[in-house]
Amino acid sequence: DAGVTQSPTHLIKTRGQQVTLRCSPKSGHDTVSWYQQALGQEPQFIFQYYEEEERQRGNFPDRFSGHQFPNYSSELNVNALLLGDSALYLCASSSVNTGANVLTFGAGSRLTVL
Amino acid sequence: AQRVTQPEKLLSVFKGAPVELKCNYSYSGSPELFWYVQYSRQRLQLLLRHISRESIKGFTADLNKGETSFHLKKPFAQEEDSAMYYCALLNTGGFKTIFGAGTRLFVKA
Repeated sequence: DAGVTQSPTHLIKTRGQQVTLRCSPKSGHDTVSWYQQALGQEPQFIFQYYEEEERQRGNFPDRFSGHQFPNYSSELNVNALLLGDSALYLCASSSVNTGANVLTFGAGSRLTVL
Repeated sequence: AQRVTQPEKLLSVFKGAPVELKCNYSYSGSPELFWYVQYSRQRLQLLLRHISRESIKGFTADLNKGETSFHLKKPFAQEEDSAMYYCALLNTGGFKTIFGAGTRLFVKA
């Protein structure tokens, strides 16, 4: 089991552009959460998806949106990129059957906005 | 507001010395608390959760509701314990994990 896989690993965008980040959860997991981790900071909750619905959202603007597919994979979309969106974006998966509260993290997608 | 506070950004101890990483939380009711760890060049991963009452890699953490604390302890630190440690709290509703600012532990030889 590869665990949680995220793509791309690194990407560079310019202000105003849009970006899509992808996540495949760990085998057997059905819930996906997204976190933003700025350099030197703790992870900040963006939102969580379960059964293809956004279940809870953190304090992020509507420019941040997501999607979950029937195979439980997920995408994070960020529109109208700002310099402050530069961060490591972490995907974490979990399972309602084995403890939805325990997160398994991916390696992250590092976004640089110029 | 639900919050996790880790007062120490950096903690440096000698190998074999006891280590305690402090964590205080703000939460009404019965909290669900975790410690996550990130070793160099590795992913963030769960170390332990309070409801399991386990000892992982020699670490333990006891929930003290009176002091609203969940400190992480190990009696004899090892060099391989050097890492970033995050205390985390599950919010009301159970979908959002709130992380503290983290403590970087450095174990010196």
